[in-house]
Amino acid sequence: DQQVKQNSPSLSVQEGRISILNCDYTNSMFDYFLWYKKYPAEGPTFLISISSIKDKNEDGRFTVFLNKSAKHLSLHIVPSQPGDSAVYFCAARETTSGTYKYIFGTGTRLKVLA
Amino acid sequence: ETGVTQSPTHLIKTRGQQVTLRCSSQSGHNTVSWYQQALGQGPQFIFQYYREEENGRGNFPPRFSGLQFPNYSSELNVNALELDDSALYLCASSLAWTSGGYTGELFFGEGSRLTVL
Repeated sequence: DQQVKQNSPSLSVQEGRISILNCDYTNSMFDYFLWYKKYPAEGPTFLISISSIKDKNEDGRFTVFLNKSAKHLSLHIVPSQPGDSAVYFCAARETTSGTYKYIFGTGTRLKVLA
Repeated sequence: ETGVTQSPTHLIKTRGQQVTLRCSSQSGHNTVSWYQQALGQGPQFIFQYYREEENGRGNFPPRFSGLQFPNYSSELNVNALELDDSALYLCASSLAWTSGGYTGELFFGEGSRLTVL
């Protein structure tokens, strides 16, 4: 049972345009959402996060939007740069008895074309 | 500030063998968790350690076990290896809590790629 879904395995975007990566979830108890970026042969690196009590968080070129009623979040990258080409993972945090458990999606491979 | 380091980076084992993977947490982090990432999948939570005790576990059998040491470093042990255990094993460290706000982020190492033949 996939609680966090990234339905687009890949996305290609022209340099300078907007990249929109989507993520859907099923568990309404998730209290935090995060995006990670992963280059080949490296571990995932944290990009941006959002608390479940907010609907938007912005950090430079990266903005995450959360729609709780639709159980959907998205990551916007504006403008996209070739160095943004990587696999992006959406993750959701479940807190149970003081323990944090992170559920990851299967990832979306972003390719930014120069 | 020292990041998360894992060893070994690559290893090959045969079915039925046992393996130990090691992780040094980022400086100052007191919580460590382990993830398995199979090819084409996202990282899957194995378990988490805080203050040398396991305090969370995903859907992995008991042959996956771990340890956390007083310096917050950690080991992942897998017994009776199966072909499906072939994957990238990621260690992540974090703070259990911080004052003044917590972004909830995990800091990952580069991973240990295990191949089971």
